[in-house]
Amino acid sequence: SQQGEEDPQALSIQEGENATMNCSYKTSINNLQWYRQNSGRGLVHLILIRSNEREKHSGRLRVTLDTSKKSSSLLITASRAADTASYFCATDGETSGSRLTFGEGTQLTVNP
Amino acid sequence: EAGVVQSPRYKIIEKKQPVAFWCNPISGHNTLYWYRQNLGQGPELLIRYENEEAVDDSQLPKDRFSAERLKGVDSTLKIQPAELGDSAVYLCASSLTTRANYGYTFGSGTRLTVV
Repeated sequence: SQQGEEDPQALSIQEGENATMNCSYKTSINNLQWYRQNSGRGLVHLILIRSNEREKHSGRLRVTLDTSKKSSSLLITASRAADTASYFCATDGETSGSRLTFGEGTQLTVNP
Repeated sequence: EAGVVQSPRYKIIEKKQPVAFWCNPISGHNTLYWYRQNLGQGPELLIRYENEEAVDDSQLPKDRFSAERLKGVDSTLKIQPAELGDSAVYLCASSLTTRANYGYTFGSGTRLTVV
């Protein structure tokens, strides 16, 4: 079963705008990760945030984690057409035995 | 570095036929995963290997699916016989350590169509 739930399911924005995707999960975690998947390709690891961290940055990406609300957000600033992809959150649960559990993803479309 | 290599990229078979997928993980990565991804959904774990040992296969449909990882390197996932519902993308991933404290590296997947 899926642990994470992404919101929204689909997001369409113009180039240069910011994109925010949210993820909620159900059980306690060790860490939460975000992945990108271009159409017909495998997933690419973007960023990992540990359960004792609240915010992390990597280039144009900003991830926040609120363990009290069991939620995370991924912000992509100054989006580009090349950012068009599906974005998945994945959780490494405390009791899942090193099993990453993925949500169903957000389909982001950045229009040029 | 080639990354995680999977073959074939695409496979079309008739139902009840057998099929096998192959994965070569990143050199030095002890942990190998097979995931299945249905259209429009996130990947779901089928099996996880630590070296040559399958340490988490609770979600592998063992009546028709089997996997092996010889010598703790390459891995093969087999379905016999295939059913229409097995149509999906089968993803292989590897990681450096047993805990998911580092990101996984995924291959490009094998898209299976059962007709």
